[in-house]
This record gives sequence, C-alpha cells and structure tokens, in this order.
Amino acid sequence: GENVEQHPSTLSVQEGDSAVIKCTYSDSASNYFPWYKQELGKRPQLIIDIRSNVGEKKDQRIAVTLNKTAKHFSLHITETQPEDSAVYFCAASTFKAAGNKLTFGGGTRVLVKP
Amino acid sequence: GAVVSQHPSWVICKSGTSVKIECRSLDFQATTMFWYRQFPKQSLMLMATSNEGSKATYEQGVEKDKFLINHASLTLSTLTVTSAHPEDSSFYICSASGTGPYNEQFFGPGTRLTVL
Repeated sequence: GENVEQHPSTLSVQEGDSAVIKCTYSDSASNYFPWYKQELGKRPQLIIDIRSNVGEKKDQRIAVTLNKTAKHFSLHITETQPEDSAVYFCAASTFKAAGNKLTFGGGTRVLVKP
Repeated sequence: GAVVSQHPSWVICKSGTSVKIECRSLDFQATTMFWYRQFPKQSLMLMATSNEGSKATYEQGVEKDKFLINHASLTLSTLTVTSAHPEDSSFYICSASGTGPYNEQFFGPGTRLTVL
C-alpha cells in the first residue's frame, strides 16, 4: 500500500519568513495530493491540493509543487503569520469517481513566532 | 461547502461499556465514509472505509468486532466501540465523500473518547 513520509516533524519560523514542508510517497499510481491544516482539537481543513497532471499550484500565500518522477511534493507558505501556527498534514491517494482513500504523512507542527 | 457533523463531540465512559459515534453529511449524499483515529501528537490513521449499504472495509490491524461500523444511509454512518478500554481513548474523526463536486473528503469535527 501507499506510504507517505513527511519532514520536518516540527518547524519554527519567524513571522514574515517562509515555511517549507516536504513529503514523499511510494505508490506511483497516486495522483491526488491534498494538504490539511489542523488546529488543536479541531478537524483537518483542506488548504490546497494538487493533481498529478500539474507541477505547481498557488493560492495566495500558499503553493504546492509536485515532482512525479521523484515522487515528492512540497508545501510552501510565504509571509508567515502567527495564525499559520498549526499542524500540517500531507496526504496522497488514487483519485477515483468516489471514495478516494487518503494516506497521511506524519504531520509537521509549525510555530510562527511573532 | 459540504458540512459533516459528528455526535457526540466528546464522551467519557467506563471500561467495558460500548460507545456509539454518529457521523452525518448534512448537505450532500455521502457514498463513502471513512473513520480515522488520532492519538495525541500523531497523524490520522484510517480505521475503515464504508460504502452505503455495504460492509465496511477495515484496515490491517483494526478489529472489526471491536469497532462496528454501519453505513445504512447516504447521510449517516456510525462507529460503535464495543467493550471499550482505556487504550481506546482517542480522537475519532469521520470523513464523508460523495460524487461530483463532493468527491473530496470532508471531515467531521471529531469525537474525543475517554475511557476510564
């Protein structure tokens, strides 16, 4: 089955700096890669996703890049703000008509210091 | 966007009792629902996948007789933790997925289970 590795496990950045989180996956059939933000005791919130037919996607301060050959994808957060502090999870799946099963990475705890 | 609710949001029970957690998709039909368990400072671990009207598919290492899943309608799935023990204490999160614009997984708010 799919295996997703995520690094680093913790990341501390100064407000205004950039944060980068990297994930690798094992199943070459995976074609959908979402990123979630989870605050303590809350549900995961989808912040951005990318499909295998594109190499990069951007939404304001958040961007995701995908390298299918190397089987890795990354989350980039620019101009970080204290409200970006949370745990971020990457995931991978094989997107189907319905019921795509997600495999999550181990998570990255991001702390943005004001 | 799609809304998924869970009930209860938290529950405390005695060891040996059973606890039922409900997951509802409020504004779309969920052909598939997923149940996850999350221990403190850890990732989400998929427990099982359920399709409406079918038996759930459990992940390796998850006891199907202990974690009973029912997906009787397109808007409701339930997880029953039978004969709960302190090691079952965890954050249980469901997600629901439909078709078309609801193809992604929409997560419920989670249920904090504490077994004394």
